[in-house]
Amino acid sequence: AQSVTQLGSHVSVSEGALVLLRCNYSSSVPPYLFWYVQYPNQGLQLLLKYTTGATLVKGINGFEAEFKKSETSFHLTKPSAHMSDAAEYFCAVSARNTGNQFYFGTGTSLTVIP
Amino acid sequence: GAGVSQSPSNKVTEKGKDVELRCDPISGHTALYWYRQSLGQGLEFLIYFQGNSAPDKSGLPSDRFSAERTGGSVSTLTIQRTQQEDSAVYLCASSPGTASYEQYFGPGTRLTVT
Repeated sequence: AQSVTQLGSHVSVSEGALVLLRCNYSSSVPPYLFWYVQYPNQGLQLLLKYTTGATLVKGINGFEAEFKKSETSFHLTKPSAHMSDAAEYFCAVSARNTGNQFYFGTGTSLTVIP
Repeated sequence: GAGVSQSPSNKVTEKGKDVELRCDPISGHTALYWYRQSLGQGLEFLIYFQGNSAPDKSGLPSDRFSAERTGGSVSTLTIQRTQQEDSAVYLCASSPGTASYEQYFGPGTRLTVT
């Protein structure tokens, strides 16, 4: 079975500081991993995904994430936070054997302090 | 092109009434998902449709919840005899159909049961 754990339901960073949002997964088979962002009163939007190949994945808005199999992690980072990055971030996992079902973490709310 | 649309955007109903929530997926997407997002919570999987296969209803919380997908396109989520605990944002997503593809989310329907 697959599951996702996001450490830290709320993260605050200063504008210009490093953003690090943590995601650990559990999967019995090679996973597909996703990060989504949700701005207030909107649906979720894909930031980036890992399926196969290069383990460092670059996404939109300067975000990137690295798949580390040994640590079962897929942490999201951005070198310099911008005010517009304030949102809810969700990590998700799926796999070939899950019948196309996706498992989402409980989300991390990012606050950017001016 | 057009994204996933949902209607209504907001719905206020009295306890005990039935409600129908509509989702129009992206044209050509074979997979369609319904999720429930309660305040401060992550995404709770409700039901999944894939092509002409029988839907995966494993996430429906009670027999008051049902969903159908007509013609492999539009989907309707029905909640009968609504309860206050049904108040949440209901999100619909569609996908080209395999676990490695990201989901495209609609803006959601905010349901309030009074």
